[in-house]
Amino acid sequence: AQTVTQSQPEMSVQEAETVTLSCTYDTSESDYYLFWYKQPPSRQMILVIRQEAYKQQNATENRFSVNFQKAAKSFSLKISDSQLGDAAMYFCAYRRGGNTPLVFGKGTRLSVIA
Amino acid sequence: GAVVSQHPSWVICKSGTSVKIECRSLDFQATTMFWYRQFPKQSLMLMATSNEGSKATYEQGVEKDKFLINHASLTLSTLTVTSAHPEDSSFYICSARDRTGGIYTEAFFGQGTRLTVV
Repeated sequence: AQTVTQSQPEMSVQEAETVTLSCTYDTSESDYYLFWYKQPPSRQMILVIRQEAYKQQNATENRFSVNFQKAAKSFSLKISDSQLGDAAMYFCAYRRGGNTPLVFGKGTRLSVIA
Repeated sequence: GAVVSQHPSWVICKSGTSVKIECRSLDFQATTMFWYRQFPKQSLMLMATSNEGSKATYEQGVEKDKFLINHASLTLSTLTVTSAHPEDSSFYICSARDRTGGIYTEAFFGQGTRLTVV
């Protein structure tokens, strides 16, 4: 079974600074996708960034970027120029190819200090 | 992005009663819907997967008779918690996926439903 591990239950960052959230996963599949979701206090799940396993280039979305290390099965999220609105729970998620559900890590609570 | 509407946002019910949660895709056809459960300060756990017109597939440990899932149309799936008990109190989230041109899109999430059983 696929598993997703987030080893940092809580993280904090100063406003305007950079923070990296860690995620590792375990799979024997070759076709899969990785995601970072943000869950603010409203609890609405918001897709932050998506990475296809077959792509070597790391995904980037504005201030958010990933470091995808396929051999190490590592998928970290870097948030640059952190803003107060970035404070939330962040979930790393995995799904294999096809019409499959997401498997989530336990989450990392990010606090942003003004 | 596509919109998934979940209703109600929160509900309080008495122990022993049933409650229905609706998940609608507003601007696309949801060929597949997923139902998750999230306990406080925990992650999302998949409960079941439903494909339009067929029976839902439940994850191990999820009681089929307690959590009834119906996906009768391409825009609506419902989760009914039958004979609810306080331990069923949780946050329930649906997500819906479209299939366009043979390629599955990513799933879009509803806003969730907070269920409290008293």
